Amino acid sequence: AQTVTQSQPEMSVQEAETVTLSCTYDTSESDYYLFWYKQPPSRQMILVIRQEAYKQQNATENRFSVNFQKAAKSFSLKISDSQLGDAAMYFCAYRRMNYGGSQGNLIFGKGTKLSVKP
Amino acid sequence: DTGVSQNPRHKITKRGQNVTFRCDPISEHNRLYWYRQTLGQGPEFLTYFQNEAQLEKSRLLSDRFSAERPKGSFSTLEIQRTEQGDSAMYLCASSSRDDRYGPQHFGDGTRLSIL
Repeated sequence: AQTVTQSQPEMSVQEAETVTLSCTYDTSESDYYLFWYKQPPSRQMILVIRQEAYKQQNATENRFSVNFQKAAKSFSLKISDSQLGDAAMYFCAYRRMNYGGSQGNLIFGKGTKLSVKP
Repeated sequence: DTGVSQNPRHKITKRGQNVTFRCDPISEHNRLYWYRQTLGQGPEFLTYFQNEAQLEKSRLLSDRFSAERPKGSFSTLEIQRTEQGDSAMYLCASSSRDDRYGPQHFGDGTRLSIL
């Protein structure tokens, strides 16, 4: 079974600084997707960034980028120029690719609570 | 696109009572997912619908849980004879038939508290 581990329950960053959130996962499959979701307090989960395992190039979305190390099964999220609005729970998630109609649902880590200091 | 809507936002009930939650996905999204999120944990998959067909169920979905999506639009999740351990946030998500990445759009969730 696949597992996702986020070893940092809480992180803190100064506004305008850079922070990296860690995520490792375990799978025996070679094709899969990885995601980072943001969940602000009492608000809905929002997709931040996603990565296809077959792509060597790291995904980037504005201030958010990932460091995908497939051999090490590591998928960290870097937030540059942190803003107060980035404060939230961040969840790393894994999903196997669709095979034979199976949906391969998301498997989430326990999350990292990010605080941003003004 | 009004987003995924869930009702109620909060539900407080006594142990042993039945509760029902509703999820309205983004219109024309044929895929709908239910997840449960307990305190300090990430969401855990419960069940998945494609149109009106319930195609996958997690082992977490005990006999006391039932989900329906009768016309392929909104979905309901019912919990019978609630227990303390059912206290959690219940999340609904949807995605379109063309979305190969899975559930991308989540609702605000229904927070269930069992007294």
